[in-house]
Amino acid sequence: GESVGLHLPTLSVQEGDNSIINCAYSNSASDYFIWYKQESGKGPQFIIDIRSNMDKRQGQRVTVLLNKTVKHLSLQIAATQPGDSAVYFCAEKSRAGGTSYGKLTFGQGTILTVHP
Amino acid sequence: NAGVTQTPKFQVLKTGQSMTLQCAQDMNHNSMYWYRQDPGMGLRLIYYSASEGTTDKGEVPNGYNVSRLNKREFSLRLESAAPSQTSVYFCASSIRDPNSNQPQHFGDGTRLSIL
Repeated sequence: GESVGLHLPTLSVQEGDNSIINCAYSNSASDYFIWYKQESGKGPQFIIDIRSNMDKRQGQRVTVLLNKTVKHLSLQIAATQPGDSAVYFCAEKSRAGGTSYGKLTFGQGTILTVHP
Repeated sequence: NAGVTQTPKFQVLKTGQSMTLQCAQDMNHNSMYWYRQDPGMGLRLIYYSASEGTTDKGEVPNGYNVSRLNKREFSLRLESAAPSQTSVYFCASSIRDPNSNQPQHFGDGTRLSIL
């Protein structure tokens, strides 16, 4: 999963395998979560999102699971392809309260490498 | 579909120089954001504009100013650049305000080095 520091967690998989990337979030009041993919030299690309009233959401080849009890989010990528190689990071949105806006807090990410 | 377009892509400045980073979106989104991304840290919000005509400070606003020129464009200005502002800057937009549960969509960034 993601952690603080200069060295990002890494995940290496073979093409065709399923990948699971984990994220521990910090705020039990967060009500919305997003997964982004960032390729080298590019901006973050939206993959999938989930609201706190759900525990699972599926997209094309991707599934996000939310476990609010342990404050854990995961991204599952089915049949991983070399083009999936990138940094993946989660973001959580806290409800507006102490700030005047719903603040998005981003994790640092996990490096996914897919070997042909 | 251009999405969010940022210019320039790269820039090198000397300490004390000023510059403006430009951002435009063609998705008819109401809200726009400026972030910086530094090694070992997640994206941090500098300023945001919930709607045309409004701007507000984010997490790290010191040393920056912004202008929401119109619904499409949101610029970030460094009045007197400092080495600590060396970073990759990302502009993002969302269809509704930051309190809504809608994803933000990002440009490809401006890589800024300050010597």
